[in-house]
Amino acid sequence: DAKTTQPPSMDCAEGRAANLPCNHSTISGNEYVYWYRQIHSQGPQYIIHGLKNNETNEMASLIITEDRKSSTLILPHATLRDTAVYYCIVRVPYQAGTALIFGKGTTLSVSS
Amino acid sequence: GAGVSQSPSNKVTEKGKDVELRCDPISGHTALYWYRQSLGQGLEFLIYFQGNSAPDKSGLPSDRFSAERTGGSVSTLTIQRTQQEDSAVYLCASSEASGGGFVYFGPGTRLLVL
Repeated sequence: DAKTTQPPSMDCAEGRAANLPCNHSTISGNEYVYWYRQIHSQGPQYIIHGLKNNETNEMASLIITEDRKSSTLILPHATLRDTAVYYCIVRVPYQAGTALIFGKGTTLSVSS
Repeated sequence: GAGVSQSPSNKVTEKGKDVELRCDPISGHTALYWYRQSLGQGLEFLIYFQGNSAPDKSGLPSDRFSAERTGGSVSTLTIQRTQQEDSAVYLCASSEASGGGFVYFGPGTRLLVL
């Protein structure tokens, strides 16, 4: 049980912002939201994570709703190289006995 | 090395043969994970190690699959009597501590069973 719900696919034009939603209505108070992506034929890559505040790094921004039941990953200026499967995962960091469980993710297709 | 490495990168075998897949985690990472990804499918969790012990083997699909980790470092995933449905990319990952959110993945081993 991946505990998150994501749309199976999304399209985005190159240079535009890509907004990827994730629902995690059963998230508990000590669970963080993590985003990973998997570019074709490569291992998944960490993007960003957050607890309740919005976060930004060099790759993306993460917007978490006040009730923490959903979040949005924003790629501000999508490029063709951002075409990938994006996974939203909720978990308690450093909790013994757990592994990252991936759902089906969202396949983002960026086109020119 | 700088990242998680796996070998071989590609493996073609005949049905019924045994195969061994190797994973070298990032130095100092105590947690190690194995995942499988069949063509067009999501990531399927197989097993994770904390040090040399495997607290969670729940994802291993059958008793033909086994894994071990020695010296808290290198891990080997063994598949006995391979079947065609075992064809997949086998991904290894490691993290600093069990349950750490920052998990680093290797490039995977692409296994094809003929």
